[in-house]
Amino acid sequence: DAGVIQSPRHEVTEMGQEVTLRCKPISGHDYLFWYRQTMMRGLELLIYFNNNVPIDDSGMPEDRFSAKMPNASFSTLKIQPSEPRDSAVYFCASSTAGTSNTGELFFGEGSRLTVL
Amino acid sequence: AQSVSQHNHHVILSEAASLELGCNYSYGGTVNLFWYVQYPGQHLQLLLKYFSGDPLVKGIKGFEAEFIKSKFSFNLRKPSVQWSDTAEYFCAGITGGFKTIFGAGTRLFVKA
Repeated sequence: DAGVIQSPRHEVTEMGQEVTLRCKPISGHDYLFWYRQTMMRGLELLIYFNNNVPIDDSGMPEDRFSAKMPNASFSTLKIQPSEPRDSAVYFCASSTAGTSNTGELFFGEGSRLTVL
Repeated sequence: AQSVSQHNHHVILSEAASLELGCNYSYGGTVNLFWYVQYPGQHLQLLLKYFSGDPLVKGIKGFEAEFIKSKFSFNLRKPSVQWSDTAEYFCAGITGGFKTIFGAGTRLFVKA
């Protein structure tokens, strides 16, 4: 079974440009998470969805960030306009409230964003 | 507030040395706890997890962790580390709602 798939793996853009990161969760998983990882701040939860509905977006830095999940197999994280301080690795993860209900996260390979 | 804290940010060990990485959590009620590992350039993957039962949990690659409720701790241990254990280790916890909170991470470097 395929794992969590993210694209692009690397993105270099200039300040002010729009950036869209994409994620395909594991089929059957009903939770999807977006995390940001930086050296200074570690791993931060930005937002998570349950059954395509945003549950907690308190970690979204500011209005420049938005996330959507139009269906169970696709999510986007958009930054508009991007700034150099947004440079980070963005991870998508999925999970399921299965019978074991332990909440283990399955991570994608990450999208490394560099904003010049 | 719910939080997970890791005591050591950087650890350097020689091969065959024993490892213990500290993790404390502050949650009320039922808690599920995890240790994840991130090898250089890779994504996070699960090492082990605790959600109920035996407080001593064994994971992959010889790692284990002990849940001590009275101390709010979930320390990670390995009796003898290898060079290939060089990685960053994250403690994490969830309580209800599936919101997973991660500690700051501990970077382990094992000298060959």
